[in-house]
Amino acid sequence: GQSLEQPSEVTAVEGAIVQINCTYQTSGFYGLSWYQQHDGGAPTFLSYNALDGLEETGRFSSFLSRSDSYGYLLLQELQMKDSASYFCATPGGGKLIFGQGTELSVKP
Amino acid sequence: DTEVTQTPKHLVMGMTNKKSLKCEQHMGHRAMYWYKQKAKKPPELMFVYSYEKLSINESVPSRFSPECPNSSLLNLHLHALQPEDSALYLCASSQDPQGSKSNQPQHFGDGTRLSIL
Repeated sequence: GQSLEQPSEVTAVEGAIVQINCTYQTSGFYGLSWYQQHDGGAPTFLSYNALDGLEETGRFSSFLSRSDSYGYLLLQELQMKDSASYFCATPGGGKLIFGQGTELSVKP
Repeated sequence: DTEVTQTPKHLVMGMTNKKSLKCEQHMGHRAMYWYKQKAKKPPELMFVYSYEKLSINESVPSRFSPECPNSSLLNLHLHALQPEDSALYLCASSQDPQGSKSNQPQHFGDGTRLSIL
């Protein structure tokens, strides 16, 4: 089976940097994706790491370490609009397996 | 705005009603998905259509019936639902079916918020 674990809640202040971790246990592993979902909105794809290392897209970066079965999403220069739920996900069995989600609250 | 359009945005129905949720995408994607999402939880996969054929049914009760009339449209027919079926129903699509060895970013619609009385 496959499971992904991430913290349920993270709080940070505007302008700060926050890291949302995701650890996984999978029988096979083919990469880690991140999705953002604002309250009442649609999940949107942020990034995907197939290989170890850091992928950067503007203020957001995602990191993967296969040897540690671990990845994270890094959000820099936090803005109020970054308050949302963030899900890590991995492909498996013809579908996406999601983590339980991390609710990020950005305070002024 | 999203590239996957779902209607209606909100739906209230009684347990004896029959209704349908609709989803449309014009990105030429070959895989489409139905998810159910409860508050503070991740999307929970219900059905997957690959090349207009049902490829995955996650043991969903028969009161939910999916239909894929063509490559752009996906419907979810509802009948005799239960109060616990109240949730946000999300449709998604991806360029190709989600393989086990590759990533296919999924594009989600805004969902239909369903309430069962």
